[in-house]
Amino acid sequence: SQTIHQWPATLVQPVGSPLSLECTVEGTSNPNLYWYRQAAGRGLQLLFYSVGIGQISSEVPQNLSASRPQDRQFILSSKKLLLSDSGFYLCAWSVFHLGAINSPLHFGNGTRLTVT
Amino acid sequence: DQQVKQNSPSLSVQEGRISILNCDYTNSMFDYFLWYKKYPAEGPTFLISISSIKDKNEDGRFTVFLNKSAKHLSLHIVPSQPGDSAVYFCAATPRDGNQFYFGTGTSLTVIP
Repeated sequence: SQTIHQWPATLVQPVGSPLSLECTVEGTSNPNLYWYRQAAGRGLQLLFYSVGIGQISSEVPQNLSASRPQDRQFILSSKKLLLSDSGFYLCAWSVFHLGAINSPLHFGNGTRLTVT
Repeated sequence: DQQVKQNSPSLSVQEGRISILNCDYTNSMFDYFLWYKKYPAEGPTFLISISSIKDKNEDGRFTVFLNKSAKHLSLHIVPSQPGDSAVYFCAATPRDGNQFYFGTGTSLTVIP
């Protein structure tokens, strides 16, 4: 069965410090990978998604970047964190979409990031 | 621009009664619709989905209804149980697209 691992679970970082959140998926090949953010009291905002190694699509221009160095690894980074980067970050995967195949998104347990 | 909207931030229902959660969308290219359940400090869990070729999909106590002309979907939970208390998100994705767009969530409280 497929599993998704996301770490760390919680993180407190000062403003201006770098960020690296990692996510790995097991039990599937060539998944679509996603980073979402849930800000306090708000919905799930799509930040980045990737359909393959080195292929990153950005939904919202901001202080963050994403990379996919391996098929089942997705990394969210920032060079200098802002207070507004605080939130709950979620990694997710889905089956690679080919044509009309529909499959749901599966989430990790999230990282609570607090920028102080 | 919020393409998927959940206009009710919260809902309270008595145990055993029906819970109805609503969701509206604006993008006519959306082809596949999903509902997720989320507990605090956890990732959302997939509940049920529906393709645009259907108007109803049922799985146990959960039924999703899709009204394409109104660009509206709803999730019915019957009977509601205290363990159903959580935040529910609806989501949508376009045909041949890879993006999943989520609403802002509805917090459901089932009162024993």
